[in-house]
Amino acid sequence: GQNIDQPTEMTATEGAIVQINCTYQTSGFNGLFWYQQHAGEAPTFLSYNVLDGLEEKGRFSSFLSRSKGYSYLLLKELQMKDSASYLCAVDTGGFKTIFGAGTRLFVKA
Amino acid sequence: KAGVTQTPRYLIKTRGQQVTLSCSPISGHRSVSWYQQTPGQGLQFLFEYFSETQRNKGNFPGRFSGRQFSNSRSEMNVSTLELGDSALYLCASSPGLTGSYEQYFGPGTRLTVT
Repeated sequence: GQNIDQPTEMTATEGAIVQINCTYQTSGFNGLFWYQQHAGEAPTFLSYNVLDGLEEKGRFSSFLSRSKGYSYLLLKELQMKDSASYLCAVDTGGFKTIFGAGTRLFVKA
Repeated sequence: KAGVTQTPRYLIKTRGQQVTLSCSPISGHRSVSWYQQTPGQGLQFLFEYFSETQRNKGNFPGRFSGRQFSNSRSEMNVSTLELGDSALYLCASSPGLTGSYEQYFGPGTRLTVT
């Protein structure tokens, strides 16, 4: 089966660091995406991990462990505009991407 | 470069009717994927098209169908609408030569079935 789990909601404070976890069990795995989706808007691409390890891109970093079926998205120096849903998605191969239900992040002042 | 466009943006239909949604990908992108997004369920994969061929599909009933034209524009159709089909339908495009590309999403079509 295909299963991607991430927390439903998280709350963090402006200026802080937050880590959003994602675990997955899929029948195939080419890589893992993170997308950001603001309310009422389309998802936008944040990162794509193929190999194990941490990839840093500005305030956002993404980590992958293929052996553990685990990824996380790390957001540093949180800003109010980071309040959004964060979607973990697995490229399962065969031109099919499976998304988790998303984590709603609330950033408070 | 223009983004992914979807029409219409909003639609209200009655149970039993059918609906056709349209998606125009980014110029040069040949892959179009369709997703259904509902609160709590997240994005559910419907199908993916490349060069007018469906390369994969999700676990949706046969009432959901799609097609892609030679200019890469894609349509999806839902027949015999049910209340549970109310959702945001998103399409996403990518170059599509392999599956491992970021997808660019359109703004979606909000379908309400009454």
